[in-house]
Amino acid sequence: DVKVTQSSRYLVKRTGEKVFLECVQDMDHENMFWYRQDPGLGLRLIYFSYDVKMKEKGDIPEGYSVSREKKERFSLILESASTNQTSMYLCASRLGNTGELFFGEGSRLTVL
Amino acid sequence: GQQLNQSPQSMFIQEGEDVSMNCTSSSIFNTWLWYKQDPGEGPVLLIALYKAGELTSNGRLTAQFGTTRKDSFLNISASIPSDVGIYFCAGQLRNFGAGKSTFGDGTTLTVKP
Repeated sequence: DVKVTQSSRYLVKRTGEKVFLECVQDMDHENMFWYRQDPGLGLRLIYFSYDVKMKEKGDIPEGYSVSREKKERFSLILESASTNQTSMYLCASRLGNTGELFFGEGSRLTVL
Repeated sequence: GQQLNQSPQSMFIQEGEDVSMNCTSSSIFNTWLWYKQDPGEGPVLLIALYKAGELTSNGRLTAQFGTTRKDSFLNISASIPSDVGIYFCAGQLRNFGAGKSTFGDGTTLTVKP
């Protein structure tokens, strides 16, 4: 069974803190993605990566960075968390350009 | 970026009723996908469509890829309580931006027993 695992289901952080969200997939997929989900706004792409050490900005990259040092792992970093980054964060992976995304269970981040 | 208009935003229906939702875009896609998200979980793929005009079924679900390549719809027949969740459409251009998907805002479905 395919599996995308996100390290934390729930996090509470303070404004200005550095936040790491980790994602691991066990399917040997080239492509990995970070989305943000907010009510009424659907899923918005933050960053994606199509290979190790490669990254591209999505639609809302401001305030975020990413790291992909190994094929199976894609990390989302908030250098200095702000209250408007309170959200549900979803990691996904995909094999090539087939279209189907496999999602993790999500990480709900609250920034106080 | 590309925009998808998904409607309706929410639906409240009685068990046994049929459901219809759709997505439209101002630009073309060459893949349409429909996902369902259960509460507290990540979205899961329901149906993928790869060709204009394609009509595909998965149990009680039927989806179509519009002939203009700018729209798609999803029908659920004879709804049951476990159909509750958020349904997302997603469009994709396979050779654009490593094939990133653009998502609609979602349709929240509530089914009353």
